[in-house]
Amino acid sequence: QVQLVHSGAEVKKPGASVKVSCKASGYKFTAFYIYWVRQAPGQGLELMGRIDPTTGGTDYAQKFQGRVTMTRDTSISTAFMELSRLNSDDTAVYYCARYYDVLTGIDYWGQGTLVTVSS
Amino acid sequence: QSALTQPASVSGSPGQSITISCTGTSSDVGAYDYVSWYQQHPDKAPELLIYEVSNRPSGVSNRFSGSKSGNTASLTISGLQTEDEADYYCTSYTNNVLPYVFGTGTKVSVL
Repeated sequence: QVQLVHSGAEVKKPGASVKVSCKASGYKFTAFYIYWVRQAPGQGLELMGRIDPTTGGTDYAQKFQGRVTMTRDTSISTAFMELSRLNSDDTAVYYCARYYDVLTGIDYWGQGTLVTVSS
Repeated sequence: QSALTQPASVSGSPGQSITISCTGTSSDVGAYDYVSWYQQHPDKAPELLIYEVSNRPSGVSNRFSGSKSGNTASLTISGLQTEDEADYYCTSYTNNVLPYVFGTGTKVSVL
């Protein structure tokens, strides 16, 4: 079965960076885009961007341009999202998700990684 | 790009039907029949409920149905149950570099 397994929770200080991983299993990793979505406490879902695991090509939401870097390692079927220059507004659960196709959109989500930014 | 607009909250009694709207523009909801809906229980990841406006993935109850008219998509939950208390999000394909947009989310309460 399709699974997306995140790395564990992180606590970071303002100004630091965080790198979250998402390991895929149960399907061909390079066949589908991986999207990254975050959710601040009590807030809605916010799209950060996506990566094409085949080419490594990325598209980022304008809000995160210059601060986010999405990468992947196809040898271990894992996607990574690194966010730099953290501030308290970046405290959120960060999800990776498999984008199946245009008709379906996202069909599977990881369990999420809580990133807490606190001095 | 702007988020799709959903009501902040909708409530109903057990057994009733409720409808959640999702309003976009002629560049997203109005342009494509690629609207999906997700259910998110507290402290859980979202789960796919509806795709392509009105299709249900295997295992999703037929109490959930979707439709679309113009720039507005809708999710109807019939025979409301306490387990339906959750947040619901719509999404749509959009013709942008990042071709996906989320709704603002709706909290469903079962009174």
